Amino acid sequence: GQNIDQPTEMTATEGAIVQINCTYQTSGFNGLFWYQQHAGEAPTFLSYNVLDGLEEKGRFSSFLSRSKGYSYLLLKELQMKDSASYLCAVRDRKSDYKLSFGAGTTVTVRA
Amino acid sequence: DTAVSQTPKYLVTQMGNDKSIKCEQNLGHDTMYWYKQDSKKFLKIMFSYNNKELIINETVPNRFSPKSPDKAHLNLHINSLELGDSAVYFCASSKGLAGGEQYFGPGTRLTVT
Repeated sequence: GQNIDQPTEMTATEGAIVQINCTYQTSGFNGLFWYQQHAGEAPTFLSYNVLDGLEEKGRFSSFLSRSKGYSYLLLKELQMKDSASYLCAVRDRKSDYKLSFGAGTTVTVRA
Repeated sequence: DTAVSQTPKYLVTQMGNDKSIKCEQNLGHDTMYWYKQDSKKFLKIMFSYNNKELIINETVPNRFSPKSPDKAHLNLHINSLELGDSAVYFCASSKGLAGGEQYFGPGTRLTVT
């Protein structure tokens, strides 16, 4: 199975930057995903990393280091609407490509 | 157009009853999933189907039985509902088992009393 760890909560100010770290252990790594989930809603896809390095998508970037079993999601120029839970998920090719999720990091953006 | 849809959105029922949740995707995807998200917000895979074939069957009680009549539909039937079944159930789909991101439906909030 996978062990996926991410902080439970983070708070930041509007306009600031927040970095959400995720560490994982898996024997058949086949990609790491970040999802955003607002309260009472479905998770929505943010980013995907399968090779080492940084993927940038507007205000959101995600980084992966496979050798360290580590990823982070960087949220820049925070807006109030970014207050949500951010889920790190790892796909494992040795488990029928199962996607395993971390417990999520609740980000609260304050004015 | 809704990509992944589920019905019903809310389901309140008593212990011991049998209920079904339906899921449909119009994305032309080959793979569909059922997830359970409990009160602690932990999202956990229950089943996955690829081209109507069951691929993943996690340690889920036999009371839960998925059915995929075609690639666009994956339904979940639950027998003899228990209090612990109360959760939000999400359907999702993806292009393939290893094909890109998963798209989630709006969820079905099941409350067992």
